[in-house]
Amino acid sequence: EVQLVQSGAELKKPGESLRISCYGSGNSFTNHWIAWVRQMPGKGLECLGIIHPEDSISVYSPSFQGQVTFSADESNSTAFLQWASLKDSDTGIYYCARVVVAMTTYDRVYYYGMDVWGQGTTVTVSS
Amino acid sequence: DIQMTQSPSSLSASVGDTVTITCRTSQTISSYLNWYQVKAGTAPKLLIYDSMSLKSGVPARFSGRRSATTFTLTISSLQPEDFATYYCQQSFNMPWTFGQGTRVEI
Repeated sequence: EVQLVQSGAELKKPGESLRISCYGSGNSFTNHWIAWVRQMPGKGLECLGIIHPEDSISVYSPSFQGQVTFSADESNSTAFLQWASLKDSDTGIYYCARVVVAMTTYDRVYYYGMDVWGQGTTVTVSS
Repeated sequence: DIQMTQSPSSLSASVGDTVTITCRTSQTISSYLNWYQVKAGTAPKLLIYDSMSLKSGVPARFSGRRSATTFTLTISSLQPEDFATYYCQQSFNMPWTFGQGTRVEI
């Protein structure tokens, strides 16, 4: 069974760094992209961007470009989301999710939805 | 960014009812529209992808349709486990964007 398992909840202070992880079992990384999605308290869903674990090619949503960093260790089927300096506004639940590729043309990739999700990592940033 | 306008923001329904949620996009996204169900304290669950393809294992009472830039999710014969919040999401262009969510309440 394909599963994504995320690291545990984190309580951090503003300005601290953090890296959370997402481990994929059952070949969940092979030929797939991994997305990171945030849900702030009482709010909806936002996509931070996606990473291709096999070569670490990343596409960031403009709102999150420069604010977070994606990385991956494909040999260990693990993706990471990292902050260099946390802010209060980074508080939320962060999900990793496997992305289904619809098709690839010579100049772009088309994607279907996110079909397998991690359980979420709660990040609380507070002084 | 592609704007997603989802309506209604909430609705009340009874078991056995049929409900429809609408999502309009600010520009054409072909059929790259997905629907998710979110229950409190749990991760989102993909219901429909490519505007009308049902994910394996999802009950057939869930269905999706597309008309140009208007997409709908219909839940026929609402079941107790369907009371949740539903989100549309476009995967055509980055940044991928979600609708504001529709809370389906008893």
